[in-house]
Amino acid sequence: EPEVTQTPSHQVTQMGQEVILRCVPISNHLYFYWYRQILGQKVEFLVSFYNNEISEKSEIFDDQFSVERPDGSNFTLKIRSTKLEDSAMYFCASSGSGFGNYGYTFGSGTRLTVV
Amino acid sequence: TQLLEQSPQFLSIQEGENLTVYCNSSSVFSSLQWYRQEPGEGPVLLVTVVTGGEVKKLKRLTFQFGDARKDSSLHITAAQTGDTGLYLCAGAGGTASKLTFGTGTRLQVTL
Repeated sequence: EPEVTQTPSHQVTQMGQEVILRCVPISNHLYFYWYRQILGQKVEFLVSFYNNEISEKSEIFDDQFSVERPDGSNFTLKIRSTKLEDSAMYFCASSGSGFGNYGYTFGSGTRLTVV
Repeated sequence: TQLLEQSPQFLSIQEGENLTVYCNSSSVFSSLQWYRQEPGEGPVLLVTVVTGGEVKKLKRLTFQFGDARKDSSLHITAAQTGDTGLYLCAGAGGTASKLTFGTGTRLQVTL
């Protein structure tokens, strides 16, 4: 079964450093997303991406965050200057349809720890 | 802001029992999805319901979408220890593709 692959599985970084989280979505999917889950809390939407541009973003997704699809297969989330409160599991997801009538496939996540 | 409340938050039952998990909102969603999440893993899709009143079955799991498309339920018949996990509902609103996740129900099934 097709998978969404995320790397690294765990990243520890110092406050103020830049991090790039990487994702390889399912190859024939067109819609890509980043979500995050702070320990013990709900899964929260960060950003959706379609046709090489952001379709929607949440209040969490401020100027410190950016997304890119650099080569047609990878989908990255960059946090420019990490803060302690950015510590969370970050999930990439992809979908063949953007209308929510079909499910999403989520990756296994990257656990980001900011120290 | 769309919110999805799940109840109960925690449920501990014995193998063979039946259970129902509820997912409620004051907002209308174009579809409602149910996921199961294991510790340290991403959510895994179980089912998507789209039409108000729709009922879908997945082996011992029955999913229903409310007539007004504001709520949903997940019923498990004769629970097994392998059903243990975190169950999440998630709504997609209108033409927006983002998912609003519920608060989650942690199910533990013991022998």
